Amino acid sequence: IAGITQAPTSQILAAGRRMTLRCTQDMRHNAMYWYRQDLGLGLRLIHYSNTAGTTGKGEVPDGYSVSRANTDDFPLTLASAVPSQTSVYFCASSTHSQGSDEQFFGPGTRLTVL
Amino acid sequence: GQNIDQPTEMTATEGAIVQINCTYQTSGFNGLFWYQQHAGEAPTFLSYNVLDGLEEKGRFSSFLSRSKGYSYLLLKELQMKDSASYLCASMDSNYQLIWGAGTKLIIKP
Repeated sequence: IAGITQAPTSQILAAGRRMTLRCTQDMRHNAMYWYRQDLGLGLRLIHYSNTAGTTGKGEVPDGYSVSRANTDDFPLTLASAVPSQTSVYFCASSTHSQGSDEQFFGPGTRLTVL
Repeated sequence: GQNIDQPTEMTATEGAIVQINCTYQTSGFNGLFWYQQHAGEAPTFLSYNVLDGLEEKGRFSSFLSRSKGYSYLLLKELQMKDSASYLCASMDSNYQLIWGAGTKLIIKP
């Protein structure tokens, strides 16, 4: 693994189903983030983690949950998917959560909820 | 509230110079980021400004005026590969990035 990876690349999901989006980084970054990107809107932060074992809510956390059991992995779970969760989801990481550290983004997961 | 404004779309000619403006209003300020995003791809980091002034990095430069809540990204000697969306993001007092919707830059030969 080099950098940050996400799986699956794309998914079509029936409303009401549970879904976990996976994110793994091998850069030993402390901070990780989940964003959604919708046409005409900026990236919006869903949840974040400043370090392993801690998580926090971003701008649009409702309907999503995360965990950070170790440094490398930061899965995002949709407990019961709804059509408004159709979006492109990006996972990102940075060395630290504060200051000038750039965020490195994964390739994204395109999710469609029908 | 927190708000980032940037033009939706701009068109420029190959070899020319283009300036993409961004105004921001966030709760606190810990720096201004610019990212590039090609269609269907992930955003990639271009620049970071936290002090007033111009930061130059090759063909790309970024400017910040904290008193005006204003930044711009300057792209020189435009190439076709510069066709992409350019995202402005302000880091607020909680060190969270507040993102603009992006400026789609179209380069014409």
